[in-house]
Amino acid sequence: ETGVTQSPTHLIKTRGQQVTLRCSSQSGHNTVSWYQQALGQGPQFIFQYYREEENGRGNFPPRFSGLQFPNYSSELNVNALELDDSALYLCASSLVNRGQGETQYFGPGTRLLVL
Amino acid sequence: DAKTTQPNSMESNEEEPVHLPCNHSTISGTDYIHWYRQLPSQGPEYVIHGLTSNVNNRMASLAIAEDRKSSTLILHRATLRDAAVYYCILRVDYSGNTPLVFGKGTRLSVIA
Repeated sequence: ETGVTQSPTHLIKTRGQQVTLRCSSQSGHNTVSWYQQALGQGPQFIFQYYREEENGRGNFPPRFSGLQFPNYSSELNVNALELDDSALYLCASSLVNRGQGETQYFGPGTRLLVL
Repeated sequence: DAKTTQPNSMESNEEEPVHLPCNHSTISGTDYIHWYRQLPSQGPEYVIHGLTSNVNNRMASLAIAEDRKSSTLILHRATLRDAAVYYCILRVDYSGNTPLVFGKGTRLSVIA
């Protein structure tokens, strides 16, 4: 069974640029959530996708957007990067069946540095 | 979401038991208590969860107070690999639609 993978592992961008981060869910999972973790803080929920539709969003501006594909892989896009977007971005997949959730399985994250 | 309170850091000797406390005085009747941990340079990983009764699994035990206003994660024999940040999280109805709300957690150091 393949776990959650994320790419790239590290990324450096400059302010104003756009970035796309990728996540491959664990086999059989239909839900993916994205989190942002600033240094020294716990992860903060960005949004969740269930069966290719956004299914909940945290307190993040619209320049944070996402996609979930039919194979349940996912992308996180961030436009107009700001210095404060520098963080570890975590993807978590889970299997949700009839509204009952399961454990979330996290990938190792993508560390983004915005200069 | 109801909030949890955890000590910022704790220290343990290797092969000794560790008791990690969590206060959640505003917990509601349908909140499950989840514990995740984050090893250095990794994403969080699930440890254990419970509702009212104490729970055991291969990683740890979860002791829940009778009034559910506090809980304790118990590592029976700490190893160096258990050094991590431990997060106590309340999750409504064990619903897949509910995101995990992380606090700062407790940073556990294990001394050889």
